[in-house]
Amino acid sequence: DTGVSQNPRHKITKRGQNVTFRCDPISEHNRLYWYRQTLGQGPEFLTYFQNEAQLEKSRLLSDRFSAERPKGSFSTLEIQRTEQGDSAMYLCASSLGRDRVTEAFFGQGTRLTVV
Amino acid sequence: AQSVSQHNHHVILSEAASLELGCNYSYGGTVNLFWYVQYPGQHLQLLLKYFSGDPLVKGIKGFEAEFIKSKFSFNLRKPSVQWSDTAEYFCAVNAPWMDSSYKLIFGSGTRLLVRP
Repeated sequence: DTGVSQNPRHKITKRGQNVTFRCDPISEHNRLYWYRQTLGQGPEFLTYFQNEAQLEKSRLLSDRFSAERPKGSFSTLEIQRTEQGDSAMYLCASSLGRDRVTEAFFGQGTRLTVV
Repeated sequence: AQSVSQHNHHVILSEAASLELGCNYSYGGTVNLFWYVQYPGQHLQLLLKYFSGDPLVKGIKGFEAEFIKSKFSFNLRKPSVQWSDTAEYFCAVNAPWMDSSYKLIFGSGTRLLVRP
């Protein structure tokens, strides 16, 4: 059990539909990250939250993507008007830290397939 | 652009063979270095990390890695692999001097297959 929970595990959607993924980080972890991983590649950073504040967004994150972390607990990642290029594994990670890097714990991911 | 390179995309070994997976990064300055492993069907797990101090770091399951600053490398090693080491291995870097989010930049991964 990783402690970071992601739902759903798999999502198949038609092009143009909206999808939303949820991440429940390890309790009390103040940092939360979303990454995207495509076949044959390592995870790529999408966005970062410190508590409820979204402090960084990758240029990879088009305006069809939005993420929230209300009250600094769980987080959601929404993709609007999905495209086939959005097909990927979406990973969530959390960590506890203040002013230095610490170990990030990953969830099992949500695999999105856009048909 | 800053990047992390893992030159071996696929490695096939027999049990008991020695393993070395290469990782090079292009960041200058202070870096924090990580190796993560992903077993089939499972989440990414931390194998080991280097923040400072002894450049030879030991991780779980008999893995170790050596940080060579002059070569911008952080190669992963294991003297004798087991079938259960079959997995994908990712090197990752964080450069705190340029990144207040402490995010990780990953290499593209190396798929290791260990034959019994």
